[in-house]
Amino acid sequence: ETGVTQTPRHLVMGMTNKKSLKCEQHLGHNAMYWYKQSAKKPLELMFVYSLEERVENNSVPSRFSPECPNSSHLFLHLHTLQPEDSALYLCASSLDREANQPQHFGDGTRLSIL
Amino acid sequence: GENVEQHPSTLSVQEGDSAVIKCTYSDSASNYFPWYKQELGKGPQLIIDIRSNVGEKKDQRIAVTLNKTAKHFSLHITETQPEDSAVYFCAASIGGYQKVTFGTGTKLQVIP
Repeated sequence: ETGVTQTPRHLVMGMTNKKSLKCEQHLGHNAMYWYKQSAKKPLELMFVYSLEERVENNSVPSRFSPECPNSSHLFLHLHTLQPEDSALYLCASSLDREANQPQHFGDGTRLSIL
Repeated sequence: GENVEQHPSTLSVQEGDSAVIKCTYSDSASNYFPWYKQELGKGPQLIIDIRSNVGEKKDQRIAVTLNKTAKHFSLHITETQPEDSAVYFCAASIGGYQKVTFGTGTKLQVIP
């Protein structure tokens, strides 16, 4: 149990579908992150939220839309995705964005785009 | 921006032997270096970290060394066991700004 829960664990969707990934952390952390993990590539940071405010968006296409309604929950809304978006999407949290604290990861959502 | 290189990409060792994974970073401002272990079907989990004011840190069979001058750091696992088999990621981040740059990972296989 990592304290960070992601649902669903697996998702298959067509390019025209709309779906959402959910992340919930039970650690009392103030910062949350979305990463994309593709084979043979380093983890790619997509979005950073600190106290529910988006503080970073790493040139992510607009077909990915994050939402952070409170410090415990993070969503990634998906629409009109492309085949190259197939990957493992990881959510993480840390105590405080401003300090060098370890990030705690969930087990990810394996996304496949048909 | 920061660039982290990690070697080797795959590593096979006999059970009981030691394993060493090496990383280099480019930005001398980086001051926090965590290591993560990712098992199949799981997310990365922190196994050890080191800050730039320390040259070495040890936790049971795992140790990390940091050479700030050369801008490289290494993970050492002694007395390896089959359950150490996983993908290991190094990372570097700059203090005051929680942006972590990860290496490409090392797949470690411990052969019983």
